[in-house]
Amino acid sequence: QAGLTQPPSVSKGLRQTATLTCTGNGNNVGFEGVVWLQQHQGHPPKLLSYKNNNRPSGISERFSASRSGNTASLTVTGLQPEDEADYYCSAWDKGLDSWVFGGGTKLTVL
Amino acid sequence: EVQLVESGGGLVQPGGSLSLSCGASGFIFSTHWMTWVRQAPGKGLEWVANINQDGSKKYYVDSVKGRFTISRDNAKNSLYLQMNSLRAEDTSVYYCSMGDVFDIWGQGTMVTVSS
Repeated sequence: QAGLTQPPSVSKGLRQTATLTCTGNGNNVGFEGVVWLQQHQGHPPKLLSYKNNNRPSGISERFSASRSGNTASLTVTGLQPEDEADYYCSAWDKGLDSWVFGGGTKLTVL
Repeated sequence: EVQLVESGGGLVQPGGSLSLSCGASGFIFSTHWMTWVRQAPGKGLEWVANINQDGSKKYYVDSVKGRFTISRDNAKNSLYLQMNSLRAEDTSVYYCSMGDVFDIWGQGTMVTVSS
């Protein structure tokens, strides 16, 4: 099943802003939007955002999500060392009747 | 506290079978979709299967259709994944996740398929 496209890596400096992208098509990203997950090395993923820009309780306002057409974005402002992690997008694909994931973006905070 | 605990992982030979369980606590299990997601060593996340609240709807990734079966027992607050005809490429950490949008995750259980 076709997945979503994410850049393999993004590097930004401390306190800077990083924008991670996730590209799909009208059956997935463009349909209901995406879920964003954060995964630190050796730990399970954690939900950051769903249905484009809804944050679960406890998730910092520094994380914000948006969507334009078939491309979704996660913006992380005021980068902190603890933001260094892998970030995954995922969306329900109505054509495949399955969830599809992006390959993940490794965010490095310099 | 909302908690998911996976169990049942281990080493199995190609062609063999394994059954995973996920015990849930801290929330009303019967009111949530549940999902299995896996992650091969050093690789990204792959959705495996999900099941609706009463077990009447089940969806699978193509690569496991006909080999894996997802099920649940709401009386026992438990989610299951029966894995048959296992292949080397099924080697992964298997996570269970709660909710429509992967709200909560367990710590995962490792499945290794190797001779």
